[in-house]
Amino acid sequence: GAVVSQHPSWVICKSGTSVKIECRSLDFQATTMFWYRQFPKQSLMLMATSNEGSKATYEQGVEKDKFLINHASLTLSTLTVTSAHPEDSSFYICSVPPRTGGGGGEQFFGPGTRLTVL
Amino acid sequence: LAKTTQPISMDSYEGQEVNITCSHNNIATNDYITWYQQFPSQGPRFIIQGYKTKVTNEVASLFIPADRKSSTLSLPRVSLSDTAVYYCLVGDTGQAGTALIFGKGTTLSVSS
Repeated sequence: GAVVSQHPSWVICKSGTSVKIECRSLDFQATTMFWYRQFPKQSLMLMATSNEGSKATYEQGVEKDKFLINHASLTLSTLTVTSAHPEDSSFYICSVPPRTGGGGGEQFFGPGTRLTVL
Repeated sequence: LAKTTQPISMDSYEGQEVNITCSHNNIATNDYITWYQQFPSQGPRFIIQGYKTKVTNEVASLFIPADRKSSTLSLPRVSLSDTAVYYCLVGDTGQAGTALIFGKGTTLSVSS
């Protein structure tokens, strides 16, 4: 299956600083990538859809000015958590959907990035 | 995407077969049923996907009745390393713009 990488795997930052998380699709180009957030003992929650060549679309309740998404190329999407606060501490995961074709398909997830804001 | 319901948790012992059932009463004609596995501090990993009847791969089987309103993930002879959260998802996941919406999942604990 496709390989998706994330960098960094973990990061600790001070409150008020910004943190950038990278998601790379290593096997194929992706015009769409997804960003999820997962708090301890909870399920994955979709944050936003990253679209190459256009603005990201955010789920209800997710602040677009706080979580900046840039689909820089067909293999790279970045999530920047601006002015991070302790409540932003979470596990951030990206995913790459299957190639176009319709019907079924496996989505490929990155290994996740653990963000801790002090 | 259709809403799914699955048990919050299950316990098992090594070597046993584990069956996790997922209910999806509002499944649409174009929807597939997909199961993912997630270990702590890792991204979800695809296990198996099916549309109807039975699908088997090297790690699991997926049973889907004719009405497709439920499905059962079967893990044969589980080991300690199968301890994880298992998510059942229903949707037309082949569309590039279709995000996966995760439910609460089933936490499987395997003991020796």
